[in-house]
Amino acid sequence: EIVLTQSPAILSLSPGERATLSCRASQSVYTSLAWYQQKPGQAPRLLISDASNRATGIPARFSGSGSGTDFTLTISSLEPEDFAVYYCQQRYSWPPLTFGGGTRVEIK
Amino acid sequence: EVQLLESGGGVVQPGGSLRLSCVASGFSFDAYAMHWVRQVPGKGLEWVSLISRDGGSTQYGDSMKGRFTISRDNSKNSLYLQMNSLRSEDSAFYYCAREASQHPNYFDPWGQGTLVTVSS
Repeated sequence: EIVLTQSPAILSLSPGERATLSCRASQSVYTSLAWYQQKPGQAPRLLISDASNRATGIPARFSGSGSGTDFTLTISSLEPEDFAVYYCQQRYSWPPLTFGGGTRVEIK
Repeated sequence: EVQLLESGGGVVQPGGSLRLSCVASGFSFDAYAMHWVRQVPGKGLEWVSLISRDGGSTQYGDSMKGRFTISRDNSKNSLYLQMNSLRSEDSAFYYCAREASQHPNYFDPWGQGTLVTVSS
């Protein structure tokens, strides 16, 4: 099973600041990695697929990068609606499909 | 608009059974594989199960094998999860999710979830 480790667990930032979230895989997943956003009381929403491809309707301030074992989700300038929990997920080796433990982006 | 609506959650005793349903609308249901993903309130996400477009192929997470059964009825645009021998650790929100367009084994969109509580 591929284990995904996200860091930091909590990121405290102010609106307008840049957010950098990390996801590390226990073995290479090449670029088979997605990012999701989850707001309180809501289901997750797909942001990024295959490491760097924004899903339909996702603002350009969200970008993904990386390959192999190290991946980054960057939010270039935080909007109030971006404060949420973010999860990475791999599909390279399954079953099982696995998720990281999440990073909570909170208002500083 | 693509929508997924789960139902069937509730409180069940340990060792009991529950059947979850998910009704899909706004897309060609039989053109997509479907998944169940669960989340303990306040915790992370755990993939539960996958079923292929025609229902002929299924996969499960290790802790669900032998206890959970995923199925679908394409004539009713419906997905199901039969859960038997339930344990306290199965308590969670259960989300149905469609495979993302052109991206198998990513999830997009998700339903709003249904809460399962296993407790005596």
